[in-house]
Amino acid sequence: DAGVIQSPRHEVTEMGQEVTLRCKPISGHDYLFWYRQTMMRGLELLIYFNNNVPIDDSGMPEDRFSAKMPNASFSTLKIQPSEPRDSAVYFCASSLPGARGRIYEQYFGPGTRLTVT
Amino acid sequence: AQSVAQPEDQVNVAEGNPLTVKCTYSVSGNPYLFWYVQYPNRGLQFLLKYITGDNLVKGSYGFEAEFNKSQTSFHLKKPSALVSDSALYFCAVRDGTGANNLFFGTGTRLTVIP
Repeated sequence: DAGVIQSPRHEVTEMGQEVTLRCKPISGHDYLFWYRQTMMRGLELLIYFNNNVPIDDSGMPEDRFSAKMPNASFSTLKIQPSEPRDSAVYFCASSLPGARGRIYEQYFGPGTRLTVT
Repeated sequence: AQSVAQPEDQVNVAEGNPLTVKCTYSVSGNPYLFWYVQYPNRGLQFLLKYITGDNLVKGSYGFEAEFNKSQTSFHLKKPSALVSDSALYFCAVRDGTGANNLFFGTGTRLTVIP
């Protein structure tokens, strides 16, 4: 398996522009997570999905942020309009559903480094 | 509420010496504990996890971790450090309530000195 795939790997945009980050989870993984990593705040969970349904979006910082998962193999995180403080590395992760009480680890993608100028 | 503390921002150890990266946790119910490693410009990689059973858990790259319920700790250890172990290490906890999200610590940067 290719692992979790994220695109683009790097994104530089100007303040006010729309940014879309993409993620393809590992096949068969029912959970998908979006994280943001910065030096100041560390690793933050933004939102996670189970079977394409958003379960917890309490970490989404503002209404400028939105995430969708239209099918089991694709998710997007959109920022509109972007601001310089959104500059960070955004990670997508996926995991198995954990049936019958089994607990599975999350597998992370390589991340998208976003710079908003 | 769930939380994880990694009390050391930086740990330095000489190559060949044993290493320990500390982690303490706070959860409601049974804790499920994880260690991840992050190399520069890479995503987090899973090292090991404690779910139940033996308190000493063995993982990837020769790492192990010891679960201590009375001290609410889950320290990462390796008997002999390699220069290639230099990276950022994250401890994470998930509680037993059914939610699948992890709470990560702030990370500890390990530097192994040749």
